[in-house]
Amino acid sequence: DVKVTQSSRYLVKRTGEKVFLECVQDMDHENMFWYRQDPGLGLRLIYFSYDVKMKEKGDIPEGYSVSREKKERFSLILESASTNQTSMYLCASSLDRGRETQYFGPGTRLLVL
Amino acid sequence: AQSVTQPDIHITVSEGASLELRCNYSYGATPYLFWYVQSPGQGLQLLLKYFSGDTLVQGIKGFEAEFKRSQSSFNLRKPSVHWSDAAEYFCAVGVGNKLVFGAGTILRVKS
Repeated sequence: DVKVTQSSRYLVKRTGEKVFLECVQDMDHENMFWYRQDPGLGLRLIYFSYDVKMKEKGDIPEGYSVSREKKERFSLILESASTNQTSMYLCASSLDRGRETQYFGPGTRLLVL
Repeated sequence: AQSVTQPDIHITVSEGASLELRCNYSYGATPYLFWYVQSPGQGLQLLLKYFSGDTLVQGIKGFEAEFKRSQSSFNLRKPSVHWSDAAEYFCAVGVGNKLVFGAGTILRVKS
């Protein structure tokens, strides 16, 4: 079975801090994704990566950056956390784009004070 | 622009009753369609997906969905709901290299 793990389930940070969210997948998937989940809005794509060191912006990239130095690991970075970035963050991976199933991690609930 | 609409934010059904969750999409080409379920505190799990062929798709946990091109719909159904089905359900359409999700429907099951 595919396993996607996220470094933290819960995280509390202060406004202005730099925040790193880590995601690791163990199935040699090409593609990895970061989503943000907010009530009533569903999941919105922040960034995705289709290869090592390759990345593309999703629908809401402002205030975020990503890093993919190794195939299995995809990091989401909040350069200067703000209260409006309080949310649930979900990482996913897939073998191919579009038509392939995306496998999700358990999520990181981030609170920015 | 591509979009997915789930008209029902909350649905409550009695245990043992049938269930239908609605999903409408807006997409110009032949869509790839997905239903995911999220139990409390968990990530998303794939229930079923449609790419082509038979418009009635069977998934895990006794769920099925029917693709209706004329109505741009992909509704999820289950003939008899169990208390463990209480969760949030998301419909999604594959657009190139992305998934576009609906806002979700929260299912409550009453005993």
